Amino acid sequence: SQQGEEDPQALSIQEGENATMNCSYKTSINNLQWYRQNSGRGLVHLILIRSNEREKHSGRLRVTLDTSKKSSSLLITASRAADTASYFCATDEGASKIIFGSGTRLSIRP
Amino acid sequence: EAGVAQSPRYKIIEKRQSVAFWCNPISGHATLYWYQQILGQGPKLLIQFQNNGVVDDSQLPKDRFSAERLKGVDSTLKIQPAKLEDSAVYLCASSAPGAVGYTFGSGTRLTVV
Repeated sequence: SQQGEEDPQALSIQEGENATMNCSYKTSINNLQWYRQNSGRGLVHLILIRSNEREKHSGRLRVTLDTSKKSSSLLITASRAADTASYFCATDEGASKIIFGSGTRLSIRP
Repeated sequence: EAGVAQSPRYKIIEKRQSVAFWCNPISGHATLYWYQQILGQGPKLLIQFQNNGVVDDSQLPKDRFSAERLKGVDSTLKIQPAKLEDSAVYLCASSAPGAVGYTFGSGTRLTVV
């Protein structure tokens, strides 16, 4: 089963623009994480936001969480070619298990 | 620190054959996960180990898939016999108690023909 669903499924923007991806989930969570996956590689953890947090920043990344709407967004500012990847949200289910969404494929055009 | 090691990197087999994947997690990481990622989808958890014990294998197709982590360190995932729908990337991840996020290996891409 997949807890989170990302939107859009695919996104293509010009280098230097901002990219926004959204994640909706179904049940209550303790935290939500975002991961990046470059083509043919494993996933890399980007950021975790806890259910009592509304916004979190890490470098060019900004994550928001709205538990009333069961949704989160990931904003990447000033995009670069190296940001081309798939991005997944993951929500906790149980004490130590996380469930991944279906991902957003981000392409950065030069 | 060394990352999560997986082998082989690629594997092509015929349906009904068997295959095994190997994972060596980061040293000291007690929890190990195997995920299946079908093309265009997010990873799906197959099995979770805590040291050498199984915590969750609810989505593991036990009629054909098996996994073990005998000494609480490295792990193997086996498929026997393989079906066409098993074509996917098999990802191994590990985590330490209280750590933020999982560390993933690069995965094994399995193609069943």
